[in-house]
Amino acid sequence: GQQVMQIPQYQHVQEGEDFTTYCNSSTTLSNIQWYKQRPGGHPVFLIQLVKSGEVKKQKRLTFQFGEAKKNSSLHITATQTTDVGTYFCAGLSGAGSYQLTFGKGTKLSVIP
Amino acid sequence: DGGITQSPKYLFRKEGQNVTLSCEQNLNHDAMYWYRQDPGQGLRLIYYSQIVNDFQKGDIAEGYSVSREKKESFPLTVTSAQKNPTAFYLCASSIMGSGNTIYFGEGSWLTVV
Repeated sequence: GQQVMQIPQYQHVQEGEDFTTYCNSSTTLSNIQWYKQRPGGHPVFLIQLVKSGEVKKQKRLTFQFGEAKKNSSLHITATQTTDVGTYFCAGLSGAGSYQLTFGKGTKLSVIP
Repeated sequence: DGGITQSPKYLFRKEGQNVTLSCEQNLNHDAMYWYRQDPGQGLRLIYYSQIVNDFQKGDIAEGYSVSREKKESFPLTVTSAQKNPTAFYLCASSIMGSGNTIYFGEGSWLTVV
């Protein structure tokens, strides 16, 4: 079945440093989504990428979808303590599919 | 307010007892899901339902059961057959055809002692 690998599992950064998490799928994806889960909370949708090579920005967050639509990344510039949490990617394998496959997440800690 | 309501938020049960987690949504979403989250394991799909009176097994359905008698409701029963039931359970819903963007409830912590 489809697998979505996400690295690193954990990342500790000093406040102000950049952070990147990477997501790789074993199959071509129709879209990829990113979610953030704050400590003690539930996952919240951040963004969806659909097109090959697509890049989207949300303030300090930059999301990319690979040309082959099998990988994606989330980059945070100049991290802040409010960025703390676990970031999940989730891939949808094809048209008509209703099962998102989640990566295991990257847990980000920001040291003030 | 629109959203997904899970209850209870915290639940303790003795080993061997069945327990049912409630999930209600007023978003008029067709699809509903149950995920299990364990530390370091990410989110694993237990069951999902696309329409009323129909549901499909996810990746880890053994030891769980669901029903979908109403569009708004998708309760999950953790049976005594589930070997390691202690976990954080997340209910979610989505509009069919919207790229499957999922909206999560706040989750239920189940501890079996």
